[in-house]
Amino acid sequence: LAKTTQPISMDSYEGQEVNITCSHNNIATNDYITWYQQFPSQGPRFIIQGYKTKVKNEVASLFIPADRKSSTLSLPRVSLSDTAVYYCLEGNNRLAFGKGNQVVVIP
Amino acid sequence: DADVTQTPRNRITKTGKRIMLECSQTKGHDRMYWYRQDPGLGLRLIYYSFDVKDINKGEISDGYSVSRQAQAKFSLSLESAIPNQTALYFCATSDSRGSEGYTFGSGTRLTVV
Repeated sequence: LAKTTQPISMDSYEGQEVNITCSHNNIATNDYITWYQQFPSQGPRFIIQGYKTKVKNEVASLFIPADRKSSTLSLPRVSLSDTAVYYCLEGNNRLAFGKGNQVVVIP
Repeated sequence: DADVTQTPRNRITKTGKRIMLECSQTKGHDRMYWYRQDPGLGLRLIYYSFDVKDINKGEISDGYSVSRQAQAKFSLSLESAIPNQTALYFCATSDSRGSEGYTFGSGTRLTVV
């Protein structure tokens, strides 16, 4: 199963932009990169998915460089409610979550 | 109604007891998964199924078994529960293309005493 690596934890102040990078050095040619958000005692929920370049939706932006060995999730102007664990996932046929990245938004 | 429903939401059981966690979905997805989550360890895959007749072991299948009774139902059993199986368990689904991402249930908090 393909695994990704992310930093463990990061703090940010309200209103700032938060960028979380994920490494996926062995990503397969056909694999998408998907990001999820998880609040305590809830299941992860889908945020955004991309294959390459930049994808944007109402929640976040996702940038994937040409070599696709990493991706960066960008959360614009975070609020306290964005405090959560964020997971990146490579592949659409396999499912292997790492430990994710704990983002804590500080007032 | 939730797309992925897990029952029970919470359960306390004794060591050695058999317990079944159930998952049903209305997404029409072919693929279903069981995970457990322990503090600081992220989500670990227990078993997964790509269709009704398909069962695959994940990272940590020892001590667990599953049954895919129908496309919409995927149950997880602990034949003889032990305290280190105390965890939060999640069921998830996806379609075969993965184009919609994965949909998770709300989880079952299991405590083995």
